[in-house]
Amino acid sequence: DAMVIQNPRYQVTQFGKPVTLSCSQTLNHNVMYWYQQKSSQAPKLLFHYYDKDFNNEADTPDNFQSRRPNTSFCFLDIRSPGLGDAAMYLCATSGDLNTEAFFGQGTRLTVV
Amino acid sequence: QQQVKQSPQSLIVQKGGIPIINCAYENTAFDYFPWYQQFPGKGPALLIAIRPDVSEKKEGRFTISFNKSAKQFSLHIMDSQPGDSATYFCAASYRSGGYQKVTFGTGTKLQVIP
Repeated sequence: DAMVIQNPRYQVTQFGKPVTLSCSQTLNHNVMYWYQQKSSQAPKLLFHYYDKDFNNEADTPDNFQSRRPNTSFCFLDIRSPGLGDAAMYLCATSGDLNTEAFFGQGTRLTVV
Repeated sequence: QQQVKQSPQSLIVQKGGIPIINCAYENTAFDYFPWYQQFPGKGPALLIAIRPDVSEKKEGRFTISFNKSAKQFSLHIMDSQPGDSATYFCAASYRSGGYQKVTFGTGTKLQVIP
């Protein structure tokens, strides 16, 4: 039944070592979002795709990149993770006719 | 102007009580106001949502009250249960270039004690 699936649920990476988080959806939504959520804070939008069009938030660091090879999948690449990048990363989707965003369970990233 | 202010930051109520969480916004372009419920270690899940042409919406034990002129909205949880203990985020969004631009409030951690 899961509609937005994130893998892995928990990821431990070394300081400076590239890491990729993945998201897949079964909703056929054309918009996919990546959010960063730090402890006790609101989710913060990093970027989103509208179909293949990539839209970066102005304050998203260059260290964060994304790929969307097809409608169903989206990846978040962190090129050189720092200790400050430890957070929950949330993927969400929405469709043209939807006003709501559907979130995945998130990936908890730990940087050591 | 994109900010959504949410209060209180945390809330403790007894089972059966009616916790109320308040949010306020400035941007009149917002046209959709969802509330999300988030349990520890999980992603946010949509709880209930309202559009500004409606002053109140009720779904089960959850009610949104909306005051367009004051640019405020609130969530009421009737007959609260320990299972309602979670963090609640209000949000406000508008459609921009084909996608929903969502601004989240800062969250309210609710604890319902038996």
